[in-house]
Amino acid sequence: QQQVKQSPQSLIVQKGGISIINCAYENTAFDYFPWYQQFPGKGPALLIAIRPDVSEKKEGRFTISFNKSAKQFSLHIMDSQPGDSATYFCAASSAGGYQKVTFGIGTKLQVIP
Amino acid sequence: GAVVSQHPSWVICKSGTSVKIECRSLDFQATTMFWYRQFPKQSLMLMATSNEGSKATYEQGVEKDKFLINHASLTLSTLTVTSAHPEDSSFYICSAPTGGAGQPQHFGDGTRLSIL
Repeated sequence: QQQVKQSPQSLIVQKGGISIINCAYENTAFDYFPWYQQFPGKGPALLIAIRPDVSEKKEGRFTISFNKSAKQFSLHIMDSQPGDSATYFCAASSAGGYQKVTFGIGTKLQVIP
Repeated sequence: GAVVSQHPSWVICKSGTSVKIECRSLDFQATTMFWYRQFPKQSLMLMATSNEGSKATYEQGVEKDKFLINHASLTLSTLTVTSAHPEDSSFYICSAPTGGAGQPQHFGDGTRLSIL
């Protein structure tokens, strides 16, 4: 059973456009929702994270929107750049992030000039 | 900032040999570390939770006798793939939580294991 569902699996966006990745979760015990960015041959790097007591969090060009009642959250990348081309994973954890991280399937983002 | 270091970053060895991968927390202590495996173009799947001073907790379907985990200190966890076979070839990644609730987990850069 996939506890964190992520879509789309691949995404092509033009430079300057908005990249949107959506995720949904099942387990209501999750209370910490990070997004990770992974480049080929590297481990995932934390991009931004949110807790369910807020509906939106913005850091630079990256924004997480969170809908607790629908158990859905999404990542918006504004003004997408070719350097943003990577695989993005939504994830969920409990105990405020101290426990194991459950990953979505990943979205391969390609930003074309 | 908090850093998790893995070593080696890439290892190639013959089938039947055992391979040890180290995961270190460089500027913080970690009583718990996590080991993941990632096949090409797939997501990270948790293999086991490494607990300092006690036995590791393995996820369902992961052979504990094949993937030996030792968490001997507050800054070091090791994963040993015993009698490795080509199907064990994968990208192995560790992570450690940097603090209490609300603090992020940091991941190592992974170890690419290729078994010939």
